Amino acid sequence: AQTVTQSQPEMSVQEAETVTLSCTYDTSESDYYLFWYKQPPSRQMILVIRQEAYKQQNATENRFSVNFQKAAKSFSLKISDSQLGDAAMYFCAYRVGGGSQGNLIFGKGTKLSVKP
Amino acid sequence: DGGITQSPKYLFRKEGQNVTLSCEQNLNHDAMYWYRQDPGQGLRLIYYSQIVNDFQKGDIAEGYSVSREKKESFPLTVTSAQKNPTAFYLCASSPPWGVGQPQHFGDGTRLSIL
Repeated sequence: AQTVTQSQPEMSVQEAETVTLSCTYDTSESDYYLFWYKQPPSRQMILVIRQEAYKQQNATENRFSVNFQKAAKSFSLKISDSQLGDAAMYFCAYRVGGGSQGNLIFGKGTKLSVKP
Repeated sequence: DGGITQSPKYLFRKEGQNVTLSCEQNLNHDAMYWYRQDPGQGLRLIYYSQIVNDFQKGDIAEGYSVSREKKESFPLTVTSAQKNPTAFYLCASSPPWGVGQPQHFGDGTRLSIL
């Protein structure tokens, strides 16, 4: 069974600094997708970034980028120039590809605090 | 604007009572999902539906039931058999073109026991 592990329950970063959130996963599949979702205090789930496993190039979205290491099954999220609005729970998620099932498997989350 | 609407935002259940959480989407998505979120936990899948009139159990389906009579709607019933229903419930949907497409989420329903 696939699993997703986020080893950092809480992280803290100074405003304007850079922080990296860790995520590892376990799968025997070769075709899959990885996601980072942000959940602010409003409890909305907001997609931050997505990575296709067959793409070697790391995904980037403005201040957010990932370090995807397929062999190591690692998918970390880097947030540059941190802003107060980045404070939230961050969830790493995995989804197997190639079939009709598209269920997301989530890690337990990392709570990010941003200090002014 | 397209999106997913969950209602109510807060719901209270008495002992032995069934309650139904509503989820409606106007995104024309085929697939819909129900997740449960407990404090300190990630989201866990309760049920999902890929097409109308078909649905599958997720990891924690016991004590829950669903229906999918319309593409736009995927209500979740929390039955009296669910002994620990207090949680935050999120509904999601995703488009049919490729499993790599991200899921879109509603704003959630918080269910509590009276």
